[in-house]
Amino acid sequence: DIVMTQSPDSLAVSLGERATINCKSSQSLLSNNKNYLGWFQRKPGQPPKPLIYWASSRNSGVPDRFSGSGSGTDFTLTISSLQAEDVAVYYCQQYYSTPITFGQGTRLEIK
Amino acid sequence: EALLVESGGGLVQPGGSLRLSCAASGFTFSSNWMAWVRQAPGKGLEWVANINHDGSEEYYVDSLKGRFTISRDNAKNTLYLQMNGLRAEDTAVYHCARGFATDLWGQGTQVTVSS
Repeated sequence: DIVMTQSPDSLAVSLGERATINCKSSQSLLSNNKNYLGWFQRKPGQPPKPLIYWASSRNSGVPDRFSGSGSGTDFTLTISSLQAEDVAVYYCQQYYSTPITFGQGTRLEIK
Repeated sequence: EALLVESGGGLVQPGGSLRLSCAASGFTFSSNWMAWVRQAPGKGLEWVANINHDGSEEYYVDSLKGRFTISRDNAKNTLYLQMNGLRAEDTAVYHCARGFATDLWGQGTQVTVSS
């Protein structure tokens, strides 16, 4: 199974500042020039919201302050200017192979 | 608008069974892989199972093989999860989701296993 490890487990960032969440996979997620990696935002009482797919493509309707980067085994989700509504738990997910696996989550709060 | 709506959750005793349903609308259900993902209280997201577009391929997380069965009825645009031999550790919110990349999620249905 591919193990996904996120860092940090929690993060406090001031409004307007940059937030960076890292995700490392136990094996490469790169195939046919695509990284099988997604990012999700989870707020209480809501289903996970897909933010990023193929490691760096933003889903429709996702603000452009959210960006994904990385390749192979190391990936990053960046929120360029933190807004109050971005408080949530963020998960990375690999869909390279079954079992599909998620990172343990990173809790993002306002400092 | 693409939408997934789960139903069928509830309170069940240990060893009992439940069948969850997920009604899809607003997209071509029969062309998509579908999945079930769960989240237990205080825990992270756990993928449960996937099924291909016509139901001929199924994949499960190893720990649930033999107890849970994923299926679909493309004529009814509905995904199912049959859960047998339920245990306390199966208590979770169960979401259906579209595709391997899970690009669309339902709100989820609560399953509580307790005596």
